[in-house]
Amino acid sequence: SQTIHQWPATLVQPVGSPLSLECTVEGTSNPNLYWYRQAAGRGLQLLFYSVGIGQISSEVPQNLSASRPQDRQFILSSKKLLLSDSGFYLCAWSEMGLLSDTQYFGPGTRLTVL
Amino acid sequence: AQSVAQPEDQVNVAEGNPLTVKCTYSVSGNPYLFWYVQYPNRGLQFLLKYITGDNLVKGSYGFEAEFNKSQTSFHLKKPSALVSDSALYFCAVRDVANAGKSTFGDGTTLTVKP
Repeated sequence: SQTIHQWPATLVQPVGSPLSLECTVEGTSNPNLYWYRQAAGRGLQLLFYSVGIGQISSEVPQNLSASRPQDRQFILSSKKLLLSDSGFYLCAWSEMGLLSDTQYFGPGTRLTVL
Repeated sequence: AQSVAQPEDQVNVAEGNPLTVKCTYSVSGNPYLFWYVQYPNRGLQFLLKYITGDNLVKGSYGFEAEFNKSQTSFHLKKPSALVSDSALYFCAVRDVANAGKSTFGDGTTLTVKP
């Protein structure tokens, strides 16, 4: 069966510090991968999605970036965090090529920028 | 552009009563519609989806949803609510015309009181 992991689970970082959040998927190949941010426990904002290694689409211009160095690894990064980057970050995957398919979410990372 | 509206921030029901969480959508093509549930500090869990076929879709934990094309709605329902159903519920739409990306509603908090 497929499993999605995210780490760390929680993170407290000072303003201006770098960020690296990691997401890995097991049990599937060539998944579509997604990064979302959820602010204040409400709606989800799509940040990035990837349909293959090295292929990243950005949905919202900001100081975050994403990379996909391996088929089942998706990394969210920042060189300098802002207070507004605080939130709950969710990684998700779906089957390649199936636009109707379900997205499966990881457990999330709670980021607090102080 | 596609959009999803969940008109109620909060729904309160008594245990054992039926529940409805409302969702309306707007897409340019045929919609793929989803419901997800989120418990505190957790990732989203898939409940059910409508792709094509029967307008009444049955999903996990006794939930069901009815697709109504003329009203562009996809309301989530359950005949008898449980206290453990209390959570945050998200409706989402995927549109083939929009590269298969999902748009999520802002979420509805369901509280089931004993």
